[in-house]
Amino acid sequence: GENVEQHPSTLSVQEGDSAVIKCTYSDSASNYFPWYKQELGKGPQLIIDIRSNVGEKKDQRIAVTLNKTAKHFSLHITETQPEDSAVYFCAASKGNTPLVFGKGTRLSVIA
Amino acid sequence: SQTIHQWPATLVQPVGSPLSLECTVEGTSNPNLYWYRQAAGRGLQLLFYSVGIGQISSEVPQNLSASRPQDRQFILSSKKLLLSDSGFYLCACYTGKYEKLFFGSGTQLSVL
Repeated sequence: GENVEQHPSTLSVQEGDSAVIKCTYSDSASNYFPWYKQELGKGPQLIIDIRSNVGEKKDQRIAVTLNKTAKHFSLHITETQPEDSAVYFCAASKGNTPLVFGKGTRLSVIA
Repeated sequence: SQTIHQWPATLVQPVGSPLSLECTVEGTSNPNLYWYRQAAGRGLQLLFYSVGIGQISSEVPQNLSASRPQDRQFILSSKKLLLSDSGFYLCACYTGKYEKLFFGSGTQLSVL
């Protein structure tokens, strides 16, 4: 089955700097790659996703890139703000199968 | 847009007591429904998912069960809770309309 590895597990950046979180997946048939942000005590919130027919997608300060050949995808957050502090999860799936999640990255933005 | 209702928000139960967590979805039909568990500071573990009424798939053997009595209702149950059942339980919904997975607000369960 699919296996998703996510790193780093923790990341600290200064406010205004960029943050990058990387994930790799094992199943070359996976075609959907979402990213979730989870704040303390809340359910994960979908922030951006990408499908395998696209190499990059951007939404304001957030962007996701996908390299199908290498089977990895990354989340990029520019001009980080304190409210970006949270746990971020990547995931992968194919067709209608359940998402397989990475173990999460705890991002701290230091003011 | 769809809305996922999950309750209660927090629950403290003694070991050996029963459990029933309910999740209902509004604003969509024929959703795929999921139960995830998250241990403190850990990742998301898929427990059960359902593609329709009465259809339940279990991902891991455990002390829990799930049922889907109605199209937009998903219930997580246990006859006797264990200490290891403590965690943050999340209901999630996937629909063909949005082709995305959305999570509810979660239930923090503490078994003492």
